[in-house]
Amino acid sequence: GAVVSQHPSRVICKSGTSVKIECRSLDFQATTMFWYRQFPKQSLMLMATSNEGSKATYEQGVEKDKFLINHASLTLSTLTVTSAHPEDSSFYICSAPRAGGQETQYFGPGTRLLVL
Amino acid sequence: AQTVTQSQPEMSVQEAETVTLSCTYDTSESDYYLFWYKQPPSRQMILVIRQEAYKQQNATENRFSVNFQKAAKSFSLKISDSQLGDAAMYFCAYTPRYKYIFGTGTRLKVLA
Repeated sequence: GAVVSQHPSRVICKSGTSVKIECRSLDFQATTMFWYRQFPKQSLMLMATSNEGSKATYEQGVEKDKFLINHASLTLSTLTVTSAHPEDSSFYICSAPRAGGQETQYFGPGTRLLVL
Repeated sequence: AQTVTQSQPEMSVQEAETVTLSCTYDTSESDYYLFWYKQPPSRQMILVIRQEAYKQQNATENRFSVNFQKAAKSFSLKISDSQLGDAAMYFCAYTPRYKYIFGTGTRLKVLA
């Protein structure tokens, strides 16, 4: 089946620093990838849609200058949390649909971010 | 607005028994997809089952089956012969095209 990886799996950083999270589709090309945020015991909330070769599309209420998304290739999307603050601590998950996969999303294993 | 509602925050089932998880959604689209995903403690999202709205036949995957009622906008998941490994959070998701909208989730406990 389709595989999506994320790196790092967990990261701890100091307040004010920036953190980059990578999302890779390992065995298929993904022109579109999605970034979600999940708070403890809550559902996944879509943050943005990452589009290869063009600007990301952000959901309402998500600060595009704070959550920078770059979709540099057909297999890699990155999410950079800039000037991180403790309230940015969360679980970040990416997903990608496989072409011809009947709308099925394949999810990465997630990245746990803790901002001190 | 498109919404997905899971009215059962938590459910319990005895091992080997059957349990049904509820999901309703609201949409004005006629063509869309519905999914059930499982999220174990590892937090990796795992696809359980998928249903295309244009198909009247309910999807089945081994011990997992759905009851899809398009007019009622209902999409319940039935787990038969429950196993300890089925214990997880289950999320219902709706998408007209790629962009998923998730329900709030149901935590399933399986009792030995």
